[in-house]
Order: sequence, then C-alpha cells, then structure tokens
Amino acid sequence: QQQVKQSPQSLIVQKGGISIINCAYENTAFDYFPWYQQFPGKGPALLIAIRPDVSEKKEGRFTISFNKSAKQFSLHIMDSQPGDSATYFCAASMPPSNNFNKFYFGSGTKLNVKP
Amino acid sequence: DSGVTQTPKHLITATGQRVTLRCSPRSGDLSVYWYQQSLDQGLQFLIQYYNGEERAKGNILERFSAQQFPDLHSELNLSSLELGDSALYFCASSQRGGTVQETQYFGPGTRLLVL
Repeated sequence: QQQVKQSPQSLIVQKGGISIINCAYENTAFDYFPWYQQFPGKGPALLIAIRPDVSEKKEGRFTISFNKSAKQFSLHIMDSQPGDSATYFCAASMPPSNNFNKFYFGSGTKLNVKP
Repeated sequence: DSGVTQTPKHLITATGQRVTLRCSPRSGDLSVYWYQQSLDQGLQFLIQYYNGEERAKGNILERFSAQQFPDLHSELNLSSLELGDSALYFCASSQRGGTVQETQYFGPGTRLLVL
C-alpha cells in the first residue's frame, strides 16, 4: 500500500512557467514532509521540507503548500528553468521512535523544463 | 556532493549470483539506510542501521541482508539474484537516525543489472 501518492508521473513545462507536483497521504500521524530532487545519475537531495503547523513554506523559487484537512501537499516551482529538470520525490515521516527515522516516498515526478 | 560514498557505481552479474554493495556514511553520521529504486516502484526503504545495530526493516527480501561495521560503513548483501533485483540501490545516512526527524543524505547509488 502506497503511503504517499504522488502525481503527475511526468511533467513538461516551458521555461518561465510554474511547475506543480502534488502529493496526498492518509496517515494523520505524519508530521514531516520533505521534498527531494534527483538529477540523473545522482542520489536524491533534500530540496525543501515542511511541518503541518504551517500552510506554506517558501525557499527561493520553491514553495510547499500544505493542506492538513485535505491531507495533501504540493511543490510549486516558480519561473521554472531547464536546470530544474529532474525527478522530484515527496516524502512523509512520523515522529521518530526507537532510533528510527523512516521516510515514506512518493513514486516520483519527472520534470522536463523546455527552453 | 552529499558526503556519502557508494561502491561500486555499476554492477553486472548473472541470476543466482551474490553481490555486496558498500556504503560509507557522511563523517559523524551514525545511521545508514538502504533503499531500492526501480522504475515502477519508486524509492523503497529496505533497512536501517544505527551505530552498528539494525533498527528497522522495510521491504527487504530474505535473500538480502545488511550489516554496519564498527567504522560505521555498511554493506548490503544480495544473494540468489533474480532478474527483478535489477535496480538502483541507494544508501543514505543521517546524524542520529531517530531522536528527531533528520535529513537523510543520499549517496550516488549502485546500479545493479542482473542478466
């Protein structure tokens, strides 16, 4: 059972446009929601993360919007650039216990920003 | 560069064989996580070690095993390999791995191809 559902699977956006990737979850125990960016041939790297006590977090051109009641969160990339072309993963985790910091990852979205 | 190293980068082997993947965490990180990334499954958590002890198991097959050594490097052993085991295997590390929700830093991965 997929704990975190991510859509779309792939996304093509023109340079300068807005890229939007959505994730949904069921487990209300999740309280930490990171987004990872993965370039071809590289491992995923943390991009931005949010906790459910805020509805939005912005870092540069990247914004996470969080809707606790709908159990959804999304990544918005403003002024998308060809260098943003990568695969994006959302993730969720519960408060850690017993030295366990497990992340549940979405299936990934392959973003292609056209010049 | 995340500071996590993985060897080898690529591995080609035959069905029924056994391979060992190696991971060195970031300096000072005590936790190591192993993930499998296949085309249709996204990032699947396999197992976590914290300071030499197994802490959590995910979707790890019985044919797979791992360990973390006193110098904190980790090895993932895959045996009786099947075609379906072909995937990217990522190692990630974090500082403590359980007391707080921490960023996991991913290595570049090992691409395994089973023929």
